Amino acid sequence: GQSLEQPSEVTAVEGAIVQINCTYQTSGFYGLSWYQQHDGGAPTFLSYNGLDGLEETGRFSSFLSRSDSYGYLLLQELQMKDSASYFCAAFFVFGPGTRLSVLP
Amino acid sequence: DAGVIQSPRHEVTEMGQEVTLRCKPISGHNSLFWYRQTMMRGLELLIYFNNNVPIDDSGMPEDRFSAKMPNASFSTLKIQPSEPRDSAVYFCASSLERGLGSQETQYFGPGTRLLVL
Repeated sequence: GQSLEQPSEVTAVEGAIVQINCTYQTSGFYGLSWYQQHDGGAPTFLSYNGLDGLEETGRFSSFLSRSDSYGYLLLQELQMKDSASYFCAAFFVFGPGTRLSVLP
Repeated sequence: DAGVIQSPRHEVTEMGQEVTLRCKPISGHNSLFWYRQTMMRGLELLIYFNNNVPIDDSGMPEDRFSAKMPNASFSTLKIQPSEPRDSAVYFCASSLERGLGSQETQYFGPGTRLLVL
């Protein structure tokens, strides 16, 4: 089986940097994905780590350490529109989500 | 590309009625996923098809739920009979897998918001 853990909530101010952590217990692990979901919307893909290390996509970066069964999503230069829920996922198993609130 | 299309977008029904949710994946995608999202249980996989074949249906709650994928461009999720605890948002997602379980990007449809009274 697979399970992923994330903090339930994170709060930060505009312009700041925030890190959302994800730990996992899985069998047959291939990699870690990150999705964003705004209230009332559908999840949308942000990033994927198939190998250890850092992947950077604009203001968003994601990191994976297989030896630690750990990954994180880093959001830089936070904007109000980044207020949303963020999910880590191992294939079709999703974490519980972290609700990010960006304050002015 | 129109993206993943789901219908209906909203459904309100009474307990005991049959509910059918529909999904059209992105053209050319070979994998299709049905998820259910609730506050209590989060986003959970119901069933996963690859090349129209069900690969993992361990998330299907019970015999009241059934899913079909008769061809590469259409899938249905049926609940019969429906119960109030089935109230949730049901998402369909598709992806282009280059190898089984290769974990490519999943593209989600807008979801169907189901309320069973």
